[in-house]
Amino acid sequence: KQEVTQIPAALSVPEGENLVLNCSFTDSAIYNLQWFRQDPGKGLTSLLLIQSSQREQTSGRLNASLDKSSGRSTLYIAASQPGDSATYLCAADGSSNTGKLIFGQGTTLQVKP
Amino acid sequence: GAGVSQSPSNKVTEKGKDVELRCDPISGHTALYWYRQSLGQGLEFLIYFQGNSAPDKSGLPSDRFSAERTGGSVSTLTIQRTQQEDSAVYLCASRLIAGVSDTQYFGPGTRLTVL
Repeated sequence: KQEVTQIPAALSVPEGENLVLNCSFTDSAIYNLQWFRQDPGKGLTSLLLIQSSQREQTSGRLNASLDKSSGRSTLYIAASQPGDSATYLCAADGSSNTGKLIFGQGTTLQVKP
Repeated sequence: GAGVSQSPSNKVTEKGKDVELRCDPISGHTALYWYRQSLGQGLEFLIYFQGNSAPDKSGLPSDRFSAERTGGSVSTLTIQRTQQEDSAVYLCASRLIAGVSDTQYFGPGTRLTVL
């Protein structure tokens, strides 16, 4: 059974810092690994999707990596801004390829001006 | 519409009542998912639709929960005889097809409170 864990649960940094959010998963048989952002009271917004054959994806100041062999993914945020404050969730799309996502508990990020 | 919509946005009900939650996916998206987000449990998968059929309903927590999808579009999640532990945010997502590179688009959710 796939389990997804995110560390840390919460993070507070000053504006401008580079930071790394960690995600680990127990079953390496995944189709893809996705990172989402959730703002309070809102739904989820997809940030990056890394297919199992890929090692990383980049979008603007965000870079996500995937290491299936070690069961890990990281989300790197460069030059953080207060607007980056949100909860970040990683999710594994398992081997059934139905798109059923198994989520981690999330990392709540606060970027202080 | 441009995105996934859900209604109602908030629902307060009394224990033992039935509730229906609605999801309107993005037009043309064949796959539809329901998830539940509750304190202490995180975000949990409930059910997946491909077209009007549900090949994976493994996440439904009990037989009080059911869902249907009609016309390959709108979906309704029904909870019968609601219990306090059903209180959560219910999120719907849709996807163009269940391909490895296709992301899911989430609606804003329905916050259900069972008194």
